[in-house]
Amino acid sequence: TQLLEQSPQFLSIQEGENLTVYCNSSSVFSSLQWYRQEPGEGPVLLVTVVTGGEVKKLKRLTFQFGDARKDSSLHITAAQPGDTGLYLCAGPDSGTYKYIFGTGTRLKVLA
Amino acid sequence: EAEVAQSPRYKITEKSQAVAFWCDPISGHATLYWYRQILGQGPELLVQFQDESVVDDSQLPKDRFSAERLKGVDSTLKIQPAELGDSAMYLCASSLFSQRQETQYFGPGTRLLVL
Repeated sequence: TQLLEQSPQFLSIQEGENLTVYCNSSSVFSSLQWYRQEPGEGPVLLVTVVTGGEVKKLKRLTFQFGDARKDSSLHITAAQPGDTGLYLCAGPDSGTYKYIFGTGTRLKVLA
Repeated sequence: EAEVAQSPRYKITEKSQAVAFWCDPISGHATLYWYRQILGQGPELLVQFQDESVVDDSQLPKDRFSAERLKGVDSTLKIQPAELGDSAMYLCASSLFSQRQETQYFGPGTRLLVL
């Protein structure tokens, strides 16, 4: 079973600061998805990365898939209180096709 | 925009009682997933359906949990009897197919509290 470790586990920053969240595995993933989940709601898909080295931008969010497809990062520029939430990376286990979620990063952006 | 529907949104029950959750996936999505999420953690897959068939229920506590998708559309997840440790968010998701790169879309979840 492939594991997805996220770091940091918790992050509290001031509005306007930049931050990076990491998602790491010892195994190769064919694709990775990033979700944001607000309290009491289901995860909402932000992006899917497929190709090693791929970079995708979504407004102030930049997602990168590692060259070896074992890791991914999410960088937020000039964080806003609306970015507060639980950020999850996830991907399909290459052997069983079971969808695996990362351990999560809980972000709080203070106004 | 099509969404995954779940009901109820919140459920409070006493231990040893039976509870049931309902999910209606996005129209045309063949694959349906039920997840359990403990507060602050990532979701954990309980069961995966391809149409009306179960393709993975290895993490489903079968002594008390059951799931069905009789007509290959909507689905019901049941817990009987509920235990205190079952308190969690229960999420339903659907995808068009069960291929590797297929995106899953999540419903709003049902938050269960067992007293």
